[in-house]
Formats: sequence, C-alpha cells, structure tokens
Amino acid sequence: EVQLVESGGGLVQPGGSLRLSCAASGFMFNNYWIHWVRQAPGNGLVWVARIKSDGTVINYADSVKGRFTISRDNAKNTVYLQMNSLRAEDTAVYYCARRAVAVVPGGMDVWGQGTTVTVSS
Amino acid sequence: DIVMTQSPLSLAVTPGEPASISCRSSQSLLHSNGYTYFDWYLQRPGQSPQLLIYLGSNRASGVPDRFSGSGSGTDFTLRISRVEAEDVGLYYCMQALLTPHTFGQGTKLEIK
Repeated sequence: EVQLVESGGGLVQPGGSLRLSCAASGFMFNNYWIHWVRQAPGNGLVWVARIKSDGTVINYADSVKGRFTISRDNAKNTVYLQMNSLRAEDTAVYYCARRAVAVVPGGMDVWGQGTTVTVSS
Repeated sequence: DIVMTQSPLSLAVTPGEPASISCRSSQSLLHSNGYTYFDWYLQRPGQSPQLLIYLGSNRASGVPDRFSGSGSGTDFTLRISRVEAEDVGLYYCMQALLTPHTFGQGTKLEIK
C-alpha cells in the first residue's frame, strides 16, 4: 500500500524543538519531492517546505526559514522536519505529501494522516 | 508571493445539482515548459487533503468524472456536475509554479 506516515508531534514549550518524521512505503521514494503542509486549528492549508527527490533542492516558507530544517534519508525512505525556536503560531497539524519528479508534473497525490504540534507553556 | 483568491467561500448545494468554485491567482501560473502549475484539493471533515485536479484540468487517479477543472493563466474553475453527499468539505486551490507554494482560503461546500 502506498502511504506516508507522520510522527513526532506533541506538546512543546515556546522556544523548544521537535523533529517530525514522514515515513514512506509502497512506492519508489527517491522519485518524489516531499512537501510539508500545515493547518492551524480552524484555519486553511499553509505550505511549509519541500525537498527534492535527491535532496539537492530545498525551499521554505518565509515564516519558518532559519528555524525549520527539512532533510531526507532515502535509505530509510524518510523525510524529517527539524523545528527549532518554536512559537505559538507554529501550532498546527503537520502533513507530509509527495509530488512526483516526472516529465509531466503531477500534483500532491498522497498525503499522510498528519501529526499535531502544540506550542504552549 | 503569489496570492490565490477563491470564490465563493461557502456554498450550499442540493444533491444532484451542479456546483462551481473559482480561483484567481495574482500572476500567471503558466511555466515556460508549457504546463500550468495549478491544483485543486478536497479536505473532507476530519480527513487529510486529497488531490482532485492537477495541471489545471487533469483529474487525479480515482476521482469521479463529475469533477472537472478548467482555466488557464490566472483564472481557474472547479465544477461538480452533480453534487453528492460525499462531496462535502473544504476545497482548496493551490499554485505550485513558485515557492512558496500558496493555497486559496478554501471554499466550504455543504449539502442543502
């Protein structure tokens, strides 16, 4: 079964750190970009970051640049999101999603179930 | 950043009737490679988002053919030919031409 499974969420104090993981299975992991998208309670979807299949291209939203780091281990079929200097406004459900590297571009066609990050004292 | 503006932000539709959602981007989403980097996503209540339409008009695998996407450049439309109960949720447009990728505000579809 093709799937992405996020983990690592939890409750953290402002200024703290968390590392989210996105584990892939059922497909050729190194053929896909992986994106992180978050959704604050009652709010819409917000794109956070992406990493290319081979890790050579990385982009971030301005709101997380310098605080979050995306990385991947293709041997483990896993993408990570290291989140430092967390703020209350980072509270959200974090989803990872895949997007194919292909001659004809696709959409984000597989999403994980999400992991919840709560930043609060 | 590219701004995505959806309308309406909510709509209530009788089952079997059509529905339409519009999305406008602040700049053209046409890439030099000829592809338009525009998607539609549906987030059903309590679920993760799912891809409906990519490249403006291509239905994703498993998406019923009552869903269709059209448009080009900066103006796009999602149409549902006959709304069913399972179509309730939040519909988002998204541009993937440039980073940061940006979503519309979301359109809430309810059943009358």
